Amino acid sequence: DQQVKQNSPSLSVQEGRISILNCDYTNSMFDYFLWYKKYPAEGPTFLISISSIKDKNEDGRFTVFLNKSAKHLSLHIVPSQPGDSAVYFCAASANSNNDMRFGAGTRLTVKP
Amino acid sequence: DAGVTQSPTHLIKTRGQHVTLRCSPISGHKSVSWYQQVLGQGPQFIFQYYEKEERGRGNFPDRFSARQFPNYSSELNVNALLLGDSALYLCASSLAEWTGGTEAFFGQGTRLTVV
Repeated sequence: DQQVKQNSPSLSVQEGRISILNCDYTNSMFDYFLWYKKYPAEGPTFLISISSIKDKNEDGRFTVFLNKSAKHLSLHIVPSQPGDSAVYFCAASANSNNDMRFGAGTRLTVKP
Repeated sequence: DAGVTQSPTHLIKTRGQHVTLRCSPISGHKSVSWYQQVLGQGPQFIFQYYEKEERGRGNFPDRFSARQFPNYSSELNVNALLLGDSALYLCASSLAEWTGGTEAFFGQGTRLTVV
């Protein structure tokens, strides 16, 4: 049962433009959401997170938006850089347990 | 400071065999979680340990077991290996007792191939 979905397996953008990665979830108990970036042959690296009490969190070029009513979150990268090319995973957890659920990932390619 | 370290990095086993994967968390982290990542999918939660106690278990068969040692390092054991157990096994450590609400730091993973 896939509670976190990333429906776009891949995304290609031009350097300097905005990258928008989307994620949907079904479990209303999720109250903490994270984005991880993964390069080949490395483990996922934490990027940014957001609590369900917020609708936006910003860290440099990265902004995560949360729409609780739609059960949707998105990651915006502005401006996109070639070094951002990686697989991005959306993850969600409920404060009451330790089961962090991941989406299948979106492969972002930023072209110079 | 060393990050999360896992050993071995690659492993090939035969169906029916047993395997032990090892993980050392970031210094000071008392929580260790294990994930299985099959090609084309996101990581799937297997276990979480905190202070040597199991605090969470995902939907995996009893062939999968784990433990945490007094130094907070951890082992994941898989018995009676199946071809479908072939995957990247990731270990993550965190400061908090509960992974919900905090970020976890991942190791580079152990690539297990079952033939």
